[in-house]
Amino acid sequence: ETGVTQTPRHLVMGMTNKKSLKCEQHLGHNAMYWYKQSAKKPLELMFVYSLEERVENNSVPSRFSPECPNSSHLFLHLHTLQPEDSALYLCASSQETGVRREQYFGPGTRLTVT
Amino acid sequence: KNEVEQSPQNLTAQEGEFITINCSYSVGISALHWLQQHPGGGIVSLFMLSSGKKKHGRLIATINIQEKHSSLHITASHPRDSAVYICAVRNQLIWGAGTKLIIKP
Repeated sequence: ETGVTQTPRHLVMGMTNKKSLKCEQHLGHNAMYWYKQSAKKPLELMFVYSLEERVENNSVPSRFSPECPNSSHLFLHLHTLQPEDSALYLCASSQETGVRREQYFGPGTRLTVT
Repeated sequence: KNEVEQSPQNLTAQEGEFITINCSYSVGISALHWLQQHPGGGIVSLFMLSSGKKKHGRLIATINIQEKHSSLHITASHPRDSAVYICAVRNQLIWGAGTKLIIKP
């Protein structure tokens, strides 16, 4: 148990559906991250929020929309996804204290787009 | 070429063997992370190191900043060590592709 929870753990959705992934951290951290992990590829950083402001957005398609209402919660809203978006989506949090932040990961949401 | 390269990509060994996983990087860093990802997907941080060597139980991580290279060693490997081991740099924003380790009983 790392102190970062993600729901749901598994999600199957059609290309016309709208769904949201939720991440919650209980560590008092002030930064949160969304990563995508596709089969046999390195982790891809999608979004970074620091102090509830988005500070990084790695050219992610607009069908992925993040939301960070407070420092403990992070959402990833999904709409009109493509089958290639099927992947493991990981959330992480860290305490921004300079250059050596260490991230704590949630268990991930396994997303399948049909 | 990726900024972080790991080798080998896949490694299968017998229980008890000494395991070495390598990580080379091409960017300047202040620290390198080793992480473990279990089949269920969850990721656990093993080490964060910026110089020398760190040891935790049967795991040892070393780094050579000048050579831009780090190694993760597992002594007396056990089937429960089976996982994907990942190195990451730049505050975990640049990741290697991972090494899939299988330890057979």
